[in-house]
Amino acid sequence: GAVVSQHPSRVICKSGTSVKIECRSLDFQATTMFWYRQFPKQSLMLMATSNEGSKATYEQGVEKDKFLINHASLTLSTLTVTSAHPEDSSFYICSAAGTGSTSGHFGNGTRLTVT
Amino acid sequence: SQQGEEDPQALSIQEGENATMNCSYKTSINNLQWYRQNSGRGLVHLILIRSNEREKHSGRLRVTLDTSKKSSSLLITASRAADTASYFCATAKMDSSYKLIFGSGTRLLVRP
Repeated sequence: GAVVSQHPSRVICKSGTSVKIECRSLDFQATTMFWYRQFPKQSLMLMATSNEGSKATYEQGVEKDKFLINHASLTLSTLTVTSAHPEDSSFYICSAAGTGSTSGHFGNGTRLTVT
Repeated sequence: SQQGEEDPQALSIQEGENATMNCSYKTSINNLQWYRQNSGRGLVHLILIRSNEREKHSGRLRVTLDTSKKSSSLLITASRAADTASYFCATAKMDSSYKLIFGSGTRLLVRP
């Protein structure tokens, strides 16, 4: 089946630094990737949708200058949390979908802790 | 914005009993999916039901969909302690079937 790899699985960073999270589709071409955020004991909230080679579309309330998304190839999308603050601590999960997919495929998530 | 609401928010049952979780949503959909998430882990895709389907089975799972009521249910029969997890429904809209909007989730505890 389709495999999506997300890296790192855990990251701890200091407040004010930037963190990059990678999402790779290992065995299919992902024309579209989605980024979700999940706070403890809450549901997943869609942050943005990215299509290969074009700018990401952000959901309402998500700061595009803070959460930079790059989808430069059909197998890789990155989410960079810039100038991270403790309130950005969360679980970030990507999903990738390719032509012919009936549903997206999820990575295993990245737990970000900002100290 | 979050589209789906699930109830109950939390459910505690004895091993062997059945667990039923309900999901309601607001707009027209292409399909509805159910996922399981163990604490602090990634998502496991359980089942997808299309808007023109009314019921679907997979092992001990049974999913129903009522598009007139904009609701779905997930039934887990003969529950096991290993079924303890959070369960989320997620809807895909007609115009973007890969983009999922998740429900609020149900935390299921199966007591051994």
